[in-house]
Amino acid sequence: EAQVTQNPRYLITVTGKKLTVTCSQNMNHEYMSWYRQDPGLGLRQIYYSMNVEVTDKGDVPEGYKVSRKEKRNFPLILESPSPNQTSLYFCASSLSLANNEQFFGPGTRLTVL
Amino acid sequence: QKEVEQNSGPLSVPEGAIASLNCTYSDRGSQSFFWYRQYSGKSPELIMSIYSNGDKEDGRFTAQLNKASQYVSLLIRDSQPSDSATYLCAVNLGYSTLTFGKGTMLLVSP
Repeated sequence: EAQVTQNPRYLITVTGKKLTVTCSQNMNHEYMSWYRQDPGLGLRQIYYSMNVEVTDKGDVPEGYKVSRKEKRNFPLILESPSPNQTSLYFCASSLSLANNEQFFGPGTRLTVL
Repeated sequence: QKEVEQNSGPLSVPEGAIASLNCTYSDRGSQSFFWYRQYSGKSPELIMSIYSNGDKEDGRFTAQLNKASQYVSLLIRDSQPSDSATYLCAVNLGYSTLTFGKGTMLLVSP
């Protein structure tokens, strides 16, 4: 089944404790992206990747890191999480930036205390 | 600054009616347009994409694009309670990333 998977789905952590949210797609998509969704603010892009070893900042990259060492995986790293990073996070992928019909993972609900 | 604007709603329609959802965008060079449906607590699901002026129909859904007016809409015919969700408009300017509107909440009452 073609899909985007994320883990964990739910996470409660404390300020400053490094964490990684994994994202994997099995559709051989070139383009991958991370979004956060907050009430009243909609979906905002954090980082994106157009291909292996190519990443770029989105609209709200502060406090986040990403890597794209393999085509299928695009982990999101929070080196020192803070309460303002409490949010619902989505990973998405598409064939390419030109064909940008994006398919979303199930989401990760993160709470930072 | 690229912007995609949607009325937040809620848009309330009775079962069986036509729901009309609207979206405007600021960048005249935008090339690709998408509608996503998002149920509460779930991930966005792509329901329609449209790339050229005019109408595109898929089942009960019709997307309409007017690039001159920088306007894209989604019509849902024979609305069902299961259509109650938030509908997100997304716009892709050529080789740039997707910009999402904040969404319109649709409520379909039985």
